[in-house]
Amino acid sequence: QITLKESGPTLVKPTQTLTVTCTFSGFSLSTSGVGVAWVRQPPGKALEWLALIYWDDDTRYSPSLKRRLTVTKDTSKNQVTLTMTNMDPVDTATYYCAHRGPANNWFGPWGLGALVTVSS
Amino acid sequence: QSALTQPRSVSGSPGQSVTISCTGTNGDVGAYNFVSWYQQHPGKAPRLIISDVTKRPSGVPARFSGSKSGNTASLTISGLQAEDEADYYCCSYAARNYVFGTGTEVTVL
Repeated sequence: QITLKESGPTLVKPTQTLTVTCTFSGFSLSTSGVGVAWVRQPPGKALEWLALIYWDDDTRYSPSLKRRLTVTKDTSKNQVTLTMTNMDPVDTATYYCAHRGPANNWFGPWGLGALVTVSS
Repeated sequence: QSALTQPRSVSGSPGQSVTISCTGTNGDVGAYNFVSWYQQHPGKAPRLIISDVTKRPSGVPARFSGSKSGNTASLTISGLQAEDEADYYCCSYAARNYVFGTGTEVTVL
């Protein structure tokens, strides 16, 4: 059974850097074709795809947020970390991580999400 | 890249069919058969209900179906049930990236 869980701060100040960790079980990020995606959702708004890291460290980012995002993985700990710099109140959202299976172009299952509020 | 366009809301009575459109471009929806659909109930994480335009994962009721024509993908719920009231999002592969739709609220009258 695949499970994922996001963890991180619930509140960050404007201009600070956000770090959110996804801890997963039931699969390995060293398996060919496997990936972990990050998606966010501002309160009451739509999902927004942020990034995807593959088993081979290949990383894809949303073009509009590319300069602010970094995704890394620690295969030994079954963790993926999303870092977003220069946080702004508009970045207030629930941040989800999701599993991407080998050769799949869809995401699932998903973690429960972590709500991050950006406020001074 | 811009979000895929979905109607803000659709509604139907129990037993009726509703269809949600998802319009993109020839760089995403029109270029690849990699459209997926997600159902999200309030306060919950999204759940995959359709992959690769038409494939239904195990456990997803057969009343959910997907299709695509040109730059527009569609999700149809046949025989609407109360538990189908939720938000629905499409997502498409877009050459090294992915893009989600604007989301559609389905109301069961």
